[in-house]
Amino acid sequence: SAVISQKPSRDICQRGTSLTIQCQVDSQVTMMFWYRQQPGQSLTLIATANQGSEATYESGFVIDKFPISRPNLTFSTLTVSNMSPEDSSIYLCSVRSGTAYNEQFFGPGTRLTVL
Amino acid sequence: ILNVEQSPQSLHVQEGDSTNFTCSFPSSNFYALHWYRWETAKSPEALFVMTLNGDEKKKGRISATLNTKEGYSYLYIKGSQPEDSATYLCATGTASKLTFGTGTRLQVTL
Repeated sequence: SAVISQKPSRDICQRGTSLTIQCQVDSQVTMMFWYRQQPGQSLTLIATANQGSEATYESGFVIDKFPISRPNLTFSTLTVSNMSPEDSSIYLCSVRSGTAYNEQFFGPGTRLTVL
Repeated sequence: ILNVEQSPQSLHVQEGDSTNFTCSFPSSNFYALHWYRWETAKSPEALFVMTLNGDEKKKGRISATLNTKEGYSYLYIKGSQPEDSATYLCATGTASKLTFGTGTRLQVTL
């Protein structure tokens, strides 16, 4: 199984600022995924990050708001830009487990509160 | 059913009680059904991946069933313990994407 760490674990930010969340995996992986869970909502895929190419964003998410970097096969960052209170969420990164059917391992999450 | 739906939203049981929750999903184009357990401040942990209609899986006191024709899965916990307190998520999967329900939050008290 993959061990995934995220930084920061939580943060409180002011409206209009940006926060970069880091995700580190203990093994090399091709694809990394970024999710968010807004209060009372389901865990929702933001984008898929491939090493060496631009991230692929899901409907409703755009690169200007959630820029993603993927500099190597073990690391990725997600930036939440120009934050508003609606961005208050738990943000998680994940990787595929390598077993069938897209089972994934998740990081512990970053709990973001925007004031 | 257009989305993945879970019920109840939350559940409070006593230690030793058995309990179950439901995950409903679109039955068309079914690929796989995932169950995860998510404890506060920890990573979501995969419990089961189920693919076959009628499939039943078990891990310790936790088991799950799957009905792909009618689009539902049940998760059962036998003899609940305080350490079972968590949010239980289900998700339908394709080869490239997981679509999650909002989860069932279980609280087990002594």
